[in-house]
Amino acid sequence: QKEVEQNSGPLSVPEGAIASLNCTYSDRGSQSFFWYRQYSGKSPELIMSIYSNGDKEDGRFTAQLNKASQYVSLLIRDSQPSDSATYLCAVRRDFGNEKLTFGTGTRLTIIP
Amino acid sequence: DGGITQSPKYLFRKEGQNVTLSCEQNLNHDAMYWYRQDPGQGLRLIYYSQIVNDFQKGDIAEGYSVSREKKESFPLTVTSAQKNPTAFYLCASRGRKPNNEQFFGPGTRLTVL
Repeated sequence: QKEVEQNSGPLSVPEGAIASLNCTYSDRGSQSFFWYRQYSGKSPELIMSIYSNGDKEDGRFTAQLNKASQYVSLLIRDSQPSDSATYLCAVRRDFGNEKLTFGTGTRLTIIP
Repeated sequence: DGGITQSPKYLFRKEGQNVTLSCEQNLNHDAMYWYRQDPGQGLRLIYYSQIVNDFQKGDIAEGYSVSREKKESFPLTVTSAQKNPTAFYLCASRGRKPNNEQFFGPGTRLTVL
C-alpha cells in the first residue's frame, strides 16, 4: 500500500463546474496536509494547507480533512482552464517534522 | 525579491561525469531539501538539511552528495555512481513556525547523454 494515494486521472471537468480531487494516506500519525499545483514542466506551487479536521476555504479552493477516515480532498469551484494541472497531495507526520510524503498526483483537465 | 533559485534550468551530462546543481534561497529559511521527480513516480526525497553544516539522507540518497556550508545555499552533486540520473530535480526550503510550509524552486532538468 502506498503511503499517500491519489487517483492519477486524468480527471476531466467542464469549465465552471466543481473539480473534486481526493487523497488517502496510510500513516495515522500524519498531522499536516498540503495541496500543490504543478503545471507541465514547472515546479510545484503550494495552494492549500490544512491541519485540523473540517473544511478550509481560500478563494475558489476548499480543502477538506477527515483524520478518522485518513482522507483529504481539494475542491475547486468555478473551474477555469487555467486550473488544468497536476495536483499533488503531501502529508507530514508531526508538526515540525522535516519530511513530506507526496502522492503521485492527479492530472486535472478543465474542458472549455 | 525573496525566493528560491536553481541553476542551471537545463543540464546535459555525459555518462561518467559528476555534475553539481545549484540551489540558493534568500528567505532566511533554516531547512532545505532536494527532490527528484520522474514521470508517474511523484517526488522522492534525496537529501535534506535542517541547519548549516548538517544534512540527512532521504529515501534515495545513493549516487548523490550535498553540502550546507551557508544557510542560503544547498548544492547537490549527482555523481557517476547514480545509475539513472536523468530526471527533474527540485530544491525546496521550509518556512518558519507555525505552519512550516515548504516551497519549491523552479527546478533543474538533467539529461544524461
